Amino acid sequence: AQKVTQAQTEISVVEKEDVTLDCVYETRDTTYYLFWYKQPPSGELVFLIRRNSFDEQNEISGRYSWNFQKSTSSFNFTITASQVVDSAVYFCALSEALLGGYQKVTFGTGTKLQVIP
Amino acid sequence: DGGITQSPKYLFRKEGQNVTLSCEQNLNHDAMYWYRQDPGQGLRLIYYSQIVNDFQKGDIAEGYSVSREKKESFPLTVTSAQKNPTAFYLCASSIITQGQASGANVLTFGAGSRLTVL
Repeated sequence: AQKVTQAQTEISVVEKEDVTLDCVYETRDTTYYLFWYKQPPSGELVFLIRRNSFDEQNEISGRYSWNFQKSTSSFNFTITASQVVDSAVYFCALSEALLGGYQKVTFGTGTKLQVIP
Repeated sequence: DGGITQSPKYLFRKEGQNVTLSCEQNLNHDAMYWYRQDPGQGLRLIYYSQIVNDFQKGDIAEGYSVSREKKESFPLTVTSAQKNPTAFYLCASSIITQGQASGANVLTFGAGSRLTVL
């Protein structure tokens, strides 16, 4: 069975600090995909990044970076020089293919990030 | 712009009443999903659909029903049988790909509907 654990329920940082959001996952499949989504106060989840299980290369996009380590089953997300606009709930998710073209997506419980000006 | 529209954004219901949440997408996506979000529990899948007139139960389907009469529309009915319906409901959609690649599909979400039972 799939499981995604985001142990940090809430994090508060002062603007311009760096912050890392942790994500640990469990799966028996060898092919899977990991995602991060951002949920601002408006409510809709917004896609940030996707990695597949065969690509452990870290990725950087502006102030965002992601560290994928299969050895520890982790997919952590770092925001550098945080800004107030980064305040949101962040979800890590694990997706696996099902028969017939369906996908099974398991979400973590989310980490609420508050950036204080 | 393409996207998903959910309505109403806020809804109040008395106990014992059924209520229907609307979800419409103009992304030409084949797959549509309903999730329930509760504080501290993340998102849980209620129902999903890949094609018109076909849908599958998710992890917490009891007390809910759906229909998929049009590709663009996937309404969710919260019935009186749902014991704890107060929650935030999110609709999502995605393309469909076959094989292992289907796990890679990105979900596009609506802005959600917040249901409160009085």
